[in-house]
Amino acid sequence: DAEITQSPRHKITETGRQVTLACHQTWNHNNMFWYRQDLGHGLRLIHYSYGVQDTNKGEVSDGYSVSRSNTEDLPLTLESAASSQTSVYFCASSAQGIGNTIYFGEGSWLTVV
Amino acid sequence: GQQVMQIPQYQHVQEGEDFTTYCNSSTTLSNIQWYKQRPGGHPVFLIQLVKSGEVKKQKRLTFQFGEAKKNSSLHITATQTTDVGTYFCAGNTGNQFYFGTGTSLTVIP
Repeated sequence: DAEITQSPRHKITETGRQVTLACHQTWNHNNMFWYRQDLGHGLRLIHYSYGVQDTNKGEVSDGYSVSRSNTEDLPLTLESAASSQTSVYFCASSAQGIGNTIYFGEGSWLTVV
Repeated sequence: GQQVMQIPQYQHVQEGEDFTTYCNSSTTLSNIQWYKQRPGGHPVFLIQLVKSGEVKKQKRLTFQFGEAKKNSSLHITATQTTDVGTYFCAGNTGNQFYFGTGTSLTVIP
């Protein structure tokens, strides 16, 4: 069965360190997304990609970067982790086009101390 | 800023009572989707509505899309403890897909 996996599932890091969260999907979806979820804010879009070599900023992109070198992977990098980036991060994917069903990964719990 | 607003943010109901969450957009939506997230889990797709005024049902869940395609609602009849979780609406405005802030439902046995 096709799936979307995230790693690590849980991570504790120190302020100022670079952190990369991996996301791998086997749906062969063109669209991939990274969201963060915090109490009172719902799901906020960090970055998204509509295909290989395509990346776009979402509403809360400061301090984050992504790259899309193949269809399956969209790693999310925190350049210099800050305590405000403590959150749950969800990777997601959908078929090409706007408005298709979005499939979410299990989530990555990141704590910045 | 937030394109899609959802109310209420939290709702506690006694098991067997009904529950409704409302989703409102400042702009016309191409379609609207609803997702459910169980505590500690990830959002899972429930349904999509595309047509103005559309109503769809899934067992005890009724979904509506407003005539102006700017609002939507999810109604659960006779809630059960398995309904616990956060319900998100999500809709297209332009070339982006925006999630609502979610409604967290607690069902008291």
